[in-house]
Amino acid sequence: NAGVMQNPRHLVRRRGQEARLRCSPMKGHSHVYWYRQLPEEGLKFMVYLQKENIIDESGMPKERFSAEFPKEGPSILRIQQVVRGDSAAYFCASSPGTSGRREQYFGPGTRLTVT
Amino acid sequence: DQQVKQNSPSLSVQEGRISILNCDYTNSMFDYFLWYKKYPAEGPTFLISISSIKDKNEDGRFTVFLNKSAKHLSLHIVPSQPGDSAVYFCAASHYNQGGKLIFGQGTELSVKP
Repeated sequence: NAGVMQNPRHLVRRRGQEARLRCSPMKGHSHVYWYRQLPEEGLKFMVYLQKENIIDESGMPKERFSAEFPKEGPSILRIQQVVRGDSAAYFCASSPGTSGRREQYFGPGTRLTVT
Repeated sequence: DQQVKQNSPSLSVQEGRISILNCDYTNSMFDYFLWYKKYPAEGPTFLISISSIKDKNEDGRFTVFLNKSAKHLSLHIVPSQPGDSAVYFCAASHYNQGGKLIFGQGTELSVKP
């Protein structure tokens, strides 16, 4: 399967713990995006990364959230000291970055539940 | 600040008929629009896109229409099939904001046999 992979699919954390969400883009894609979907809402952009670079983090909360896309390995979205309001579905998407076409291809998501 | 709006939370259509899903936007800088389909507990699946230099794009049963003066786009599905039942999201982007997609709230389509 050459699609976008995310793991884990489900993650349960207690308040105050850390959550790490992983995303492997489609083969040949060098651009990764993270989105969050709260219940009954659309997807909200969080961050856009290329290998070893954060391009746009305008949608990231100022505290507790960070993202990386290292030279080797998957992209990681890290949430420190989780709170109940962080419970949501987190989707990763990737694109080849070819100009003119802006389609992004999404993974199955990680559903984070904070208890 | 909801820049992309889907004002109908739900739509019910008979199998074989046309489904029309609507989307409005406020930012005139948007120049590329996309439609995604989403089943429960899955990620969004790309359906069809349109650049602002066009007013129509067709792919099989799916056609997207863009009315730039009205800042409105619509997705037509003809004929509708029960397997089309899902939540449909429209999304928009503009070249000056890199790859960031701005999504509407979604419309849940139900196609009844």
